[in-house]
Amino acid sequence: EVQLLESGGGFVQPGESLRLSCAASGFTFSNYDMSWVRQAPGKGLEWVSGISGSGGNTYYADSVKGRFTISRDNSKNTLFLQMNNLRAEDTAVFYCAKGGYSWYLDSWGQGTLVTVSS
Amino acid sequence: DIVMTQSPDSLAVSLGERATINCKSSQSVLYSSNNKNYLGWYQQKPGQPPKLLIYWASTRESGVPDRFSGSGSGTDFTLTISSLQAEDVAVYYCQQFYSTPHNFGQGTKLEIK
Repeated sequence: EVQLLESGGGFVQPGESLRLSCAASGFTFSNYDMSWVRQAPGKGLEWVSGISGSGGNTYYADSVKGRFTISRDNSKNTLFLQMNNLRAEDTAVFYCAKGGYSWYLDSWGQGTLVTVSS
Repeated sequence: DIVMTQSPDSLAVSLGERATINCKSSQSVLYSSNNKNYLGWYQQKPGQPPKLLIYWASTRESGVPDRFSGSGSGTDFTLTISSLQAEDVAVYYCQQFYSTPHNFGQGTKLEIK
């Protein structure tokens, strides 16, 4: 059974940083693309970032480009999202999601809440 | 960037009746080399993460009831629930994975009439 467990969320002030982690199990982690998707309170889904199975290719939404960095440690089956210079509009539940045969998202974690406020 | 637009924003359907949700992409998401539409549908119930229902526009994910079906090609797509059940109350999203950013539609809230 695929399991994705996010951690690292919390309450920070604008301009601060957070690092999210997603521990994966139940599948061969290095074989699959992975993504981060966020959802602001009461709002829809926003794709944030994606990374290929090898980690060699990374992709970002314009809203986070230059501030967020996606990475993975295939030896530890873990996905990361380093978030710098956080803004109030980054407040959201962040989901880690596994790609299928392509970039569609066939398994999701329960999410971790990031709150950015002064 | 490809913009995804769903219609309607909300929908109320009687139990046992058909529900239809539309999704339009600003550019074609049909990849000519493999004739696949890079379009997925997700269901999100309150307090839960999204769940994949359909990928390649019309392929049902394993374990998804066959009352859910997807259709369309190019820029226009439809999610159909053939006979609405109470447990289908949720918000439904389409997403293109043809090119980054892999944008979602704004969501369609489905309720019981």
